[in-house]
Amino acid sequence: AQSVTQLGSHVSVSEGALVLLRCNYSSSVPPYLFWYVQYPNQGLQLLLKYTSAATLVKGINGFEAEFKKSETSFHLTKPSAHMSDAAEYFCAVRSNTGKLIFGQGTTLQVKP
Amino acid sequence: NAGVTQTPKFQVLKTGQSMTLQCAQDMNHEYMSWYRQDPGMGLRLIHYSVGAGITDQGEVPNGYNVSRSTTEDFPLRLLSAAPSQTSVYFCASSYSSGLGTEAFFGQGTRLTVV
Repeated sequence: AQSVTQLGSHVSVSEGALVLLRCNYSSSVPPYLFWYVQYPNQGLQLLLKYTSAATLVKGINGFEAEFKKSETSFHLTKPSAHMSDAAEYFCAVRSNTGKLIFGQGTTLQVKP
Repeated sequence: NAGVTQTPKFQVLKTGQSMTLQCAQDMNHEYMSWYRQDPGMGLRLIHYSVGAGITDQGEVPNGYNVSRSTTEDFPLRLLSAAPSQTSVYFCASSYSSGLGTEAFFGQGTRLTVV
């Protein structure tokens, strides 16, 4: 069965610093992976998705993620954090039965 | 373009009361689902539907019922609310259940059971 694990429930960075949010997946078949962002008191919004076309995926708001099969990882990065990036981030995988399975979430804090 | 609309946004229930959380989408999506979000647990799937007339259980279905009489609507019913059902509920829809298909989410319903 497919699953994802997000390492670190809280990540704190300074404004302008690199953002790195970690996600590892478990799948017996090639996975389809997603990163979603949730701003306070809002629903989830798609940041980017991996569908095997390219290992480096670029998303909205300057975020990108790299699929590494050897490490079973799909970490989310952004070169320079902005205050507006403060939110909760979820990694997810679509199972082969169609269900979207989420990780536990990582709260990103951006300090001025 | 409304997308996925959930009502109400906030609700307080007493233990034992029943209620229905409404979810409607205007994108003609076949696949719809309900999640609950609890701190430290991410989003957990309650029920899902692959099309009108077809529903199935997710990871945490106990205490919840669903039906799908139309493509647009997918209500979630709490038959007898319990404090353990205090949570934020999200409805999502996608064009299909295909592996690379993006899900669109509503704004959520924050439910408190006292």
